[in-house]
Amino acid sequence: NAGVTQTPKFRVLKTGQSMTLLCAQDMNHEYMYWYRQDPGMGLRLIHYSVGEGTTAKGEVPDGYNVSRLKKQNFLLGLESAAPSQTSVYFCASSYSKAGLGETQYFGPGTRLLVL
Amino acid sequence: DAKTTQPPSMDCAEGRAANLPCNHSTISGNEYVYWYRQIHSQGPQYIIHGLKNNETNEMASLIITEDRKSSTLILPHATLRDTAVYYCIVRRYSGGGADGLTFGKGTHLIIQP
Repeated sequence: NAGVTQTPKFRVLKTGQSMTLLCAQDMNHEYMYWYRQDPGMGLRLIHYSVGEGTTAKGEVPDGYNVSRLKKQNFLLGLESAAPSQTSVYFCASSYSKAGLGETQYFGPGTRLLVL
Repeated sequence: DAKTTQPPSMDCAEGRAANLPCNHSTISGNEYVYWYRQIHSQGPQYIIHGLKNNETNEMASLIITEDRKSSTLILPHATLRDTAVYYCIVRRYSGGGADGLTFGKGTHLIIQP
C-alpha cells in the first residue's frame, strides 16, 4: 500500500513551457485534491475532484487544468508556466463517511521551479 | 469552517509529553477538530480527529473541552522526529461535497534533546 504518490519529485521549467504533474492513490478514495504551498505559507487548494470524470475549482485555479480519467489518478497541468507558479505542489486524497468525517492523505510533493 | 487560534511556536524536551493547544470558539455542532502536521519539506500528515469525545490513536491523544471551544493535542513521549509544524483545523463533514482543508500558520513544535 503506497498511499499517495507524486511524479516527478522535482522539475525545472522555462517560462512558457508546459508540463503535467501526476498523482496516484491506491486507497480507493473518491476525492482527490491539488494544493500549492509557497515559502512560509499554508497550503492553498488549486482544484479538486469528487469522483472519476469530475473536477472543480479551488481557491487558486488560474493557470492550471486538471483531469480525473481514472479513479486512482489525478493530473495537474500547466499549459504555459510562469515564474509565479514556482512552488511545492501537494496532492491529497480522502474518503468521506458520515460519522467518521473526512481525512486527507497527502503525497510527498513536487517541487517546481519556473525560470 | 470555524477559525482556529494556535501559538506560533512551542518547545518541548525529548521524552516529555508535548501539549499543543488550539482555540476554536466559533465551532459549530457538526464540525470536527482535525490535527495534521508537516515535517520540513514533506507533505502534511494526518494525526487524529474528533467531534465531541476525546480520542486516542497510536500517534497522539486529542482532548476536546466539554463546550468544544478548545482542544489539546498530546504527543505522550515526544521524540526529535516530532519536530514539525502542527495544524489544528476545524471542518464540517461535507457529505460528499468535498473541498479543501484550510491550513493556517500552525504551531512550530521544536523538540529539544
